[in-house]
Amino acid sequence: NAGVTQTPKFRILKIGQSMTLQCAQDMNHNYMYWYRQDPGMGLKLIYYSVGAGITDKGEVPNGYNVSRSTTEDFPLRLELAAPSQTSVYFCASSYLNSPRNTGELFFGEGSRLTVL
Amino acid sequence: KQEVTQIPAALSVPEGENLVLNCSFTDSAIYNLQWFRQDPGKGLTSLLLIQSSQREQTSGRLNASLDKSSGRSTLYIAASQPGDSATYLCAALGAGKSTFGDGTTLTVKP
Repeated sequence: NAGVTQTPKFRILKIGQSMTLQCAQDMNHNYMYWYRQDPGMGLKLIYYSVGAGITDKGEVPNGYNVSRSTTEDFPLRLELAAPSQTSVYFCASSYLNSPRNTGELFFGEGSRLTVL
Repeated sequence: KQEVTQIPAALSVPEGENLVLNCSFTDSAIYNLQWFRQDPGKGLTSLLLIQSSQREQTSGRLNASLDKSSGRSTLYIAASQPGDSATYLCAALGAGKSTFGDGTTLTVKP
């Protein structure tokens, strides 16, 4: 049981390049999330998904895209990378089985992205 | 919009001291509240999850309380140790979304 797995752990991009951060979970969680964390700050929600085929914007979605074709995978796509996207990206998952039961968040180890 | 505030932003204490970290949130309609620990350059480690129907949770030297009516949660660390030095984050969990505070950076001096 690996939990939440993110790849790559580190990446340097040039301005204008594109890339995909991968996230996979093996806990059969229905909810998955992408956050970014800037130095000295808390986490800000980029996108989240309530299940396969369903995604929604979070607080800071501009410049990013997501898809959820399976329960296990939730990739984050960066198009036309900008220096403002330099950050640490965290993927998380949780299980919700009722409208009033928000499950515990489980996090991956993070992906450190630098855009030069 | 939910806002989460953690005070103080930084705290330095001598080893052995008991301490309290504070977390406040503006929208009391949260479902659960979760406390995390983050070491420098590392990911988030879950410490305690308090469900909305609970008032507190305990794990070892850690005790977290939740008062939804006042929009507050506290994390109590007993007999602090240098190994407790880290940033502590709280997250207010809502309907599929969660809002994080900016964290309290704790330094425990030997």
